[in-house]
Amino acid sequence: QQQVKQSPQSLIVQKGGISIINCAYENTAFDYFPWYQQFPGKGPALLIAIRPDVSEKKEGRFTISFNKSAKQFSLHIMDSQPGDSATYFCAASWGAQKLVFGQGTRLTINP
Amino acid sequence: NAGVMQNPRHLVRRRGQEARLRCSPMKGHSHVYWYRQLPEEGLKFMVYLQKENIIDESGMPKERFSAEFPKEGPSILRIQQVVRGDSAAYFCASSPGVSNSPLHFGNGTRLTVT
Repeated sequence: QQQVKQSPQSLIVQKGGISIINCAYENTAFDYFPWYQQFPGKGPALLIAIRPDVSEKKEGRFTISFNKSAKQFSLHIMDSQPGDSATYFCAASWGAQKLVFGQGTRLTINP
Repeated sequence: NAGVMQNPRHLVRRRGQEARLRCSPMKGHSHVYWYRQLPEEGLKFMVYLQKENIIDESGMPKERFSAEFPKEGPSILRIQQVVRGDSAAYFCASSPGVSNSPLHFGNGTRLTVT
């Protein structure tokens, strides 16, 4: 019930391509779904977040798509750049507290 | 990230020693969370504290681990009698405690037990 499952574990995308990372959750009480970006040696940094009352949220090249009935959400990175190479974590919580994280996706953008 | 300060950045301890990890939250934040990250894994929740109170410690191992967030000073995660399996990155996050406010993470303390 508390798990958030993330896939793929690793992803290689060509520069300019679209990177897509998927997450699924079980607990219907979750009401806050953020994505974090982590570079080596650094802490996770909030990238974008969504609440279940909307199906999509876009900020620049980053878009979250949310499917409440399927209990799934995904991160799309448009026009992927080498600087986007990092580990991405999806997470879920209720009230934005006590985040439950997915296992992470290591994204590599080839120039 | 820069707002939440964790120290030390790297800590090496021999088996059986004590490790003390410190976290100063962002200015104005009164809620602190500790997470542990093993290599190639996600972050696992350990404990959630407010000033002088432990709100949720459901992720803390029952033995050897303790956390505090005193009225004055940083939050401390204390690991007694460390074992090799405690080697990990420990991250602290803070929030103002307002519902739906995001968590801001520090850059972590990397603990190595030899």
